[in-house]
Amino acid sequence: AQKITQTQPGMFVQEKEAVTLDCTYDTSDQSYGLFWYKQPSSGEMIFLIYQGSYDEQNATEGRYSLNFQKARKSANLVISASQLGDSAMYFCAIPRDTGRRALTFGSGTRLQVQP
Amino acid sequence: DTGVSQNPRHKITKRGQNVTFRCDPISEHNRLYWYRQTLGQGPEFLTYFQNEAQLEKSRLLSDRFSAERPKGSFSTLEIQRTEQGDSAMYLCASPLSGAFNEQFFGPGTRLTVL
Repeated sequence: AQKITQTQPGMFVQEKEAVTLDCTYDTSDQSYGLFWYKQPSSGEMIFLIYQGSYDEQNATEGRYSLNFQKARKSANLVISASQLGDSAMYFCAIPRDTGRRALTFGSGTRLQVQP
Repeated sequence: DTGVSQNPRHKITKRGQNVTFRCDPISEHNRLYWYRQTLGQGPEFLTYFQNEAQLEKSRLLSDRFSAERPKGSFSTLEIQRTEQGDSAMYLCASPLSGAFNEQFFGPGTRLTVL
């Protein structure tokens, strides 16, 4: 079964600084992908970034980048130049290995950006 | 706005009552997922539809829960005889076709059972 571990329940970062949110995973699939979602206090899940296990280059989307280390089974999210609006819960997720591709989520990291 | 809508956004009910939630996914997406999210946790998978067929249900989906997608478009999730432990955010998601496409989530329905 898939498992996602996010070991940081909460993180603080100063505005304009970079922050890394940790995610480790366990899967029996040979081919898989890692997703990161943001959930503001309003509750909606916002897709941020994705990387497939066979992608050779780390994914980037604007200020978001994935530090994907397949051998260590980690897929950390890096947010550069933090903004106050980045304050939210962040979830790492991996598709389940049942073939239906529902996502298994970690318990999340609450990021607070301080001015 | 992801294009996935859910109604109602909030529902407060008394224990023992039945509730029904609706999800309208993006029209061309034939896959649809329901998740439940309790406070302080990530979403947990409940059930999966491909078109109108319910192809998978998790162990979280007790006999009091039923989901339908009658014409392969919108979906409903009904909880009968609600319990306080059912209080949670219920999220609907639909992805594009393909193995690893992002799931577009709706805004969720927050259920409070008194």
